[in-house]
Amino acid sequence: DIQMTQSPASLSASLGETISIECRASEDIYSNLAWYQQKSGKSPQLLIYAANRLQDGVPSRFSGSGSGTQYSLKISGMQPEDEGDYFCLQGSKFPFTFGSGTKLEIK
Amino acid sequence: QVQLKESGPGLVQPSQTLSLTCTVAGFSLTSYNVHWVRQPPGKGLEWMGVIWNTGGTRYNSALKSRLSISKDTSKSQVFLKMNSLQTEDTATYYCARGRGYLDYWGQGVMVTVSS
Repeated sequence: DIQMTQSPASLSASLGETISIECRASEDIYSNLAWYQQKSGKSPQLLIYAANRLQDGVPSRFSGSGSGTQYSLKISGMQPEDEGDYFCLQGSKFPFTFGSGTKLEIK
Repeated sequence: QVQLKESGPGLVQPSQTLSLTCTVAGFSLTSYNVHWVRQPPGKGLEWMGVIWNTGGTRYNSALKSRLSISKDTSKSQVFLKMNSLQTEDTATYYCARGRGYLDYWGQGVMVTVSS
């Protein structure tokens, strides 16, 4: 199975700050990577797919980058509504596997 | 609009079989795949399996011997059955529409395995 190593596990950011979350795959996943936001008690919401494609309706302060085994999600200008858990998903090879998640809080 | 909604029992006894239904709207099961994902309380997500738009299936090998996914296209419903449940199967179970990624998820259904 492809292992997805996500970092950091938690992050505290000030309003307006730019933050990054990383996911490293144990093998090349050919940009088959998605990023999700999950708020407490809610289902995951798709932010980014195909490593860098912004899902419709997602604010442009969210962006994704990367290739091969290294990927990142950037939030340019932290907003209060961005608090939550973030995780990555690789869809390159079965079984699909998820990163362990990053808890993002307002400082 | 695209919607998925899971339904099923909230409590299952150990060693029994879990049966969940995912009812979809806003898209056809003949055009999209549907995945099942679960999340134990306070833990990460585990991909369980997928039923293709064509009706074929693929399962996580860790669950393969216990898991079955099927669908009724005419009713826009996807079914999950998992047998021999144990306490570690306690989780929120989600269905999600998927291609190479999962774009829409249901609200999830919490299943507790306990006697």
